[in-house]
Amino acid sequence: DTAVSQTPKYLVTQMGNDKSIKCEQNLGHDTMYWYKQDSKKFLKIMFSYNNKELIINETVPNRFSPKSPDKAHLNLHINSLELGDSAVYFCASSQGSTGDYGYTFGSGTRLTVV
Amino acid sequence: GEDVEQSLFLSVREGDSSVINCTYTDSSSTYLYWYKQEPGAGLQLLTYIFSNMDMKQDQRLTVLLNKKDKHLSLRIADTQTGDSAIYFCAGEISNTGKLIFGQGTTLQVKP
Repeated sequence: DTAVSQTPKYLVTQMGNDKSIKCEQNLGHDTMYWYKQDSKKFLKIMFSYNNKELIINETVPNRFSPKSPDKAHLNLHINSLELGDSAVYFCASSQGSTGDYGYTFGSGTRLTVV
Repeated sequence: GEDVEQSLFLSVREGDSSVINCTYTDSSSTYLYWYKQEPGAGLQLLTYIFSNMDMKQDQRLTVLLNKKDKHLSLRIADTQTGDSAIYFCAGEISNTGKLIFGQGTTLQVKP
């Protein structure tokens, strides 16, 4: 039973399109995150939600908009996709602060913008 | 802000020990973590250490923490080909829930 699941796993789209990535966790965690991993494998936090409330919003273009309908779901919508948005996007969850267990990560969504 | 640095690549022979090193800047991190990423997969938590500990051992894994030098290491004993992956160290910026990751160390295990 997958703990943190993301869909789709792969996404290929043209520049200028709008796309969404969905994330769901069944761990009962109250905090969810989006991370971006670039081609050099560098991981950078984008957003964090705690119980549907936005708590971390790093310097991310306005074209990226997270939405959390409930504490088990965190979606990422991207408008007007650009070539530089190509990356692997990881969703993660944790119970409160990371504490003893760190984050549980999804398997990632590989976004390719052509 | 917090910065976490790692060497990028390590190659060892099967059966040898591997030591992956990490340095960090935020001494207030309560927990420090090691994650493993296999090709095409997400990050898997391997182990963590609480900041008031110097060492933690978990089967083949040994984590050493030198708070004075802000240095963290992960030793993998009897390294196997299945250990080939990218290893990330990460520190939590205090009370933010925000994990900052190093660049990752690619471990190559030769048969």
